[in-house]
Amino acid sequence: GDSVTQMEGPVTLSEEAFLTINCTYTATGYPSLFWYVQYPGEGLQLLLKATKADDKGSNKGFEATYRKETTSFHLEKGSVQVSDSAVYFCALCLYSSASKIIFGSGTRLSIRP
Amino acid sequence: DTEVTQTPKHLVMGMTNKKSLKCEQHMGHRAMYWYKQKAKKPPELMFVYSYEKLSINESVPSRFSPECPNSSLLNLHLHALQPEDSALYLCASSQDPNAYYNEQFFGPGTRLTVL
Repeated sequence: GDSVTQMEGPVTLSEEAFLTINCTYTATGYPSLFWYVQYPGEGLQLLLKATKADDKGSNKGFEATYRKETTSFHLEKGSVQVSDSAVYFCALCLYSSASKIIFGSGTRLSIRP
Repeated sequence: DTEVTQTPKHLVMGMTNKKSLKCEQHMGHRAMYWYKQKAKKPPELMFVYSYEKLSINESVPSRFSPECPNSSLLNLHLHALQPEDSALYLCASSQDPNAYYNEQFFGPGTRLTVL
């Protein structure tokens, strides 16, 4: 079935380190792909999205590229800050079930000062 | 206004109580959602309202009863809950329920504790 797999956390990095959180998907058809972020004590908010192959989503220094060949949507940031500490969810949405988001399990990121 | 608001922020209730969660958005979105989120897990979809009609019920127990009084409001009525129903309840909205490229906008959630 359709699913999203993302790297297990927690991930702990020092401030200004390079970040990669891996995300791969299995889907029938061509999904839209999303990264959502959940800061402590809050709801989810969209970080970035890509709706077709080779699209790059970017926001707040984060980037992810929709790779159809490798069915991946890895999240990257060149220099993380303490304020980036949060849980990151990779997700997809299909044309056939547009109201349903399929979430990955989430990756908890902690940044040390 | 790009915000989804939820009240209350916290709720503690006994297993015999009746309570309601409220959600509001003023973005003109035509789809609204209820999710349940347990600690360290992704949100689980409960209900979807599309153009104010219930379109998806993910086999949620009848002790949870959703209501959509108008296009801006969404309620979740709670009755005879169990301790295992304790969780963060998230409301979300999106512009078009049929557009798979639209993101969902989430509220901050209601932290529910059932004693």
